Amino acid sequence: ETGVTQSPTHLIKTRGQQVTLRCSSQSGHNTVSWYQQALGQGPQFIFQYYREEENGRGNFPPRFSGLQFPNYSSELNVNALELDDSALYLCASSGGGQGSYNEQFFGPGTRLTVL
Amino acid sequence: KQEVTQIPAALSVPEGENLVLNCSFTDSAIYNLQWFRQDPGKGLTSLLLIQSSQREQTSGRLNASLDKSSGRSTLYIAASQPGDSATYLCAVKGEDFNKFYFGSGTKLNVKP
Repeated sequence: ETGVTQSPTHLIKTRGQQVTLRCSSQSGHNTVSWYQQALGQGPQFIFQYYREEENGRGNFPPRFSGLQFPNYSSELNVNALELDDSALYLCASSGGGQGSYNEQFFGPGTRLTVL
Repeated sequence: KQEVTQIPAALSVPEGENLVLNCSFTDSAIYNLQWFRQDPGKGLTSLLLIQSSQREQTSGRLNASLDKSSGRSTLYIAASQPGDSATYLCAVKGEDFNKFYFGSGTKLNVKP
């Protein structure tokens, strides 16, 4: 069984630029969630995708957007980068829809630095 | 809005000691609660998942309990080892299934 993978591992951008992060879900999982984790903090929920539709969103502005593809992999896009966007971005996948156990399995994360 | 708090923020114990990590949440309307460990700069590793209808889950030296009505969960680690040193995070999933809330974690150091 393949685990959750994320790319790239590290990324450096400058303020105002745009970035795309990628996530491949664990085999058999159809739900992907994205999180932002600032240094020394717990992860903050950005949004969740279920069967290619956004299925829940945290308190993040619209410049954070995402996609889920038919193979359930996902992208996180961030426009107009700000210094405070520097963080570890985590992707988690889970199996089944509502009513299932929905245990989340995390990828290793992408470290984004905004200069 | 759900608030998740973990106490203590940091803990240092000698090897072999039994220890308890605490997680509290303000809204008891949760679907499940999950405990994770995170090594520095790494992703999260799932330890235990407790459904809202369950009271506890066990895996090896780990035991997690859930008291939904009081908004509390504990993670008990028996016979701690230096390899247990990591940050431990709890997360709750709302009953609407679509939002997740993490605590800030407890950083555990087990001294040889």
